[in-house]
Amino acid sequence: EIVLTQSPGTLSLSPGERATLSCRASQSVSSNYLAWYQQKHGQAPRLLIYAASSRVTGIPDRFSGSGSGTDFTLTISRLEPEDFAVYYCQQSGSSLWTFGQGTKVEIK
Amino acid sequence: QLQLQESGPGLVKPSETLSLTCTVSGGSISSSSYFWGWIRQPPGKGLEWIGTIFYSGSPYYSPSLKSRVTISVDTSKNQFSLKLSSVTAADTAVYYCASLQFYYYYAMDVWGQGTTVTVSS
Repeated sequence: EIVLTQSPGTLSLSPGERATLSCRASQSVSSNYLAWYQQKHGQAPRLLIYAASSRVTGIPDRFSGSGSGTDFTLTISRLEPEDFAVYYCQQSGSSLWTFGQGTKVEIK
Repeated sequence: QLQLQESGPGLVKPSETLSLTCTVSGGSISSSSYFWGWIRQPPGKGLEWIGTIFYSGSPYYSPSLKSRVTISVDTSKNQFSLKLSSVTAADTAVYYCASLQFYYYYAMDVWGQGTTVTVSS
């Protein structure tokens, strides 16, 4: 089973700043099967990025994904007030899906 | 537009079986473009994948839950369901159903609103 480790656990930033979130896999993940989600308090998660770097329609272009193999990154270029939330990476390999433990992006 | 809605008891006694249903609207559960999945989130914690099923195939389960989980599809009702046996307080969580679309390489693209299940006597 592939374990995803996200860092940092919490990111304290101000609006307008750049956020860089890391997701590291315990073994190589096909880039096609690496996704990122945003979850706001009391809401269901929302798919932001699939196939490591493809944005879902309607997701602002300040969100970008990159990476391959075991290291993946979600970047928010300029934080807007509505971006403060928890972000999860997720992989699906060998018919098993796993999530990272999440990174909370909070207002500094 | 695809929509999913979870339903089922909000309170389950320890050692009993948790049963939830996800009703799919705006699309067919028999579509070859989708898998269907269950995910849960204990209070204050992260997301945990429970299992995934294709309408005509065998389900895939989380190894940690495999011995207690059954996921099935009812195409006549456009629903899929989750059964989790021998529950304990550790199974208290918000349970989500989701669609996993081929276009998104089977990422979870549409989610239900979630339903809270508490395990308590």
